[in-house]
Order: sequence, then structure tokens, then C-alpha cells
Amino acid sequence: DAGVTQSPTHLIKTRGQQVTLRCSPKSGHDTVSWYQQALGQGPQFIFQYYEEEERQRGNFPDRFSGHQFPNYSSELNVNALLLGDSALYLCASSLDYSRYPETQYFGPGTRLLVL
Amino acid sequence: AQSVTQLGSHVSVSEGALVLLRCNYSSSVPPYLFWYVQYPNQGLQLLLKYTTGATLVKGINGFEAEFKKSETSFHLTKPSAHMSDAAEYFCAVSDRTGNQFYFGTGTSLTVIP
Repeated sequence: DAGVTQSPTHLIKTRGQQVTLRCSPKSGHDTVSWYQQALGQGPQFIFQYYEEEERQRGNFPDRFSGHQFPNYSSELNVNALLLGDSALYLCASSLDYSRYPETQYFGPGTRLLVL
Repeated sequence: AQSVTQLGSHVSVSEGALVLLRCNYSSSVPPYLFWYVQYPNQGLQLLLKYTTGATLVKGINGFEAEFKKSETSFHLTKPSAHMSDAAEYFCAVSDRTGNQFYFGTGTSLTVIP
């Protein structure tokens, strides 16, 4: 059983560009959450998707948007990249997080560097 | 609102010594509590979790943690440190209504040979 997978593993962009990160959840999981982990910090919650809709959102600007597909995979899009967006972006999947938050598992992350 | 405080951003122990990583939380409702480990350039791996029931929770790699409601703590321990335990450790809290995880800022564990 494959766990949570993310692509790409590394990415380099320049300021002002747009980026799309992808996540495939663990088999049987229907909820996907995205986190930003800046260097030396703990992960910060960006948003959560369930049934193809954004269910929860953290304190991130509208430049951060997402999507969940019918197969539960998800994308994170960041527009107008800033230097401060450089971070490790983690995807986590769970089984209906509102009912089973303890089932959340994390992927290996995508490391984004904005120059 | 919930929050997590990890006391000590860096902890060093000798190989074979006791590991104690501290975590205190604040939550207005009974929480779910978690410890994750992160090795360099990798994602988060779940060590253990407390949801309900027995307050002493055993996890992988010999780690355990005890939920103490009166002290609002969930400290992580391991009787004997191994070199492979060197990593970053994160404590996290979640409520039971579907809200997000809140992570602490992490504790970097160094194991001295």
C-alpha cells in the first residue's frame, strides 16, 4: 500500500511565477490537507479538502489555492510567488478528518525554492 | 483555540541515556495529541498518538508518551537513546471536531556517541 505521495520533490521558481504542487493520498483516504513548513519551523496549516471542496483554511492569502479531484488527489497552487514562499510543502491525507483526525498521515513533501 | 509549546528547541543526550522531549498544550476541549519525527529532507512520520483511553501511549522505535490532563502535558520519552534517534521531533494537537492540527516549533534531538 503506497502511502501519501507528492510531486515534484524539489522545485525552483522565480519571484512572480506560479507553481502547482501535487499530492496523491493514501489508499482509502478521502481528506487532504496542505501544510507549509518554513526552515526551522513547525508545519503551518494552509487548507483542507474534503469531497472536492475546501473545508478549512488557515491564515494564508488568496494566492494560495487548491483543488481536489474525484479520485481524492489534490493540487496546491501558489500565484505571484514571493521569496517568503520558499519552504517545504507537506501534504497529509486522512479518512474523513472531521470524524477521524487521528488517521492523518504525511507525505515526504515538496521543497520549493523561490529566487 | 489550541496551541502547542515545545520546551527546548535543541536537546542533546548521550547514546544510551534517557530521552525526554517536553510538550505542553492548550485546548478548550479534550484534545488528540501526536508526536511526529522528521529526518533531514524528509516528511513527517507518526511516532505515536493519544486519542482516548489509556494515558500512557507506546509508539514506534521504543518511544512512549503520557497524557497528563492536569498538567496539560504530553512529554515524549525513550529509556535509551540510539544514534538513529537524531532527528527533529514535533508535537501536535488537534481537537475532535475536525479542526486543523497545530504543531509546535519542534525540538532537534542530538545523540552524542
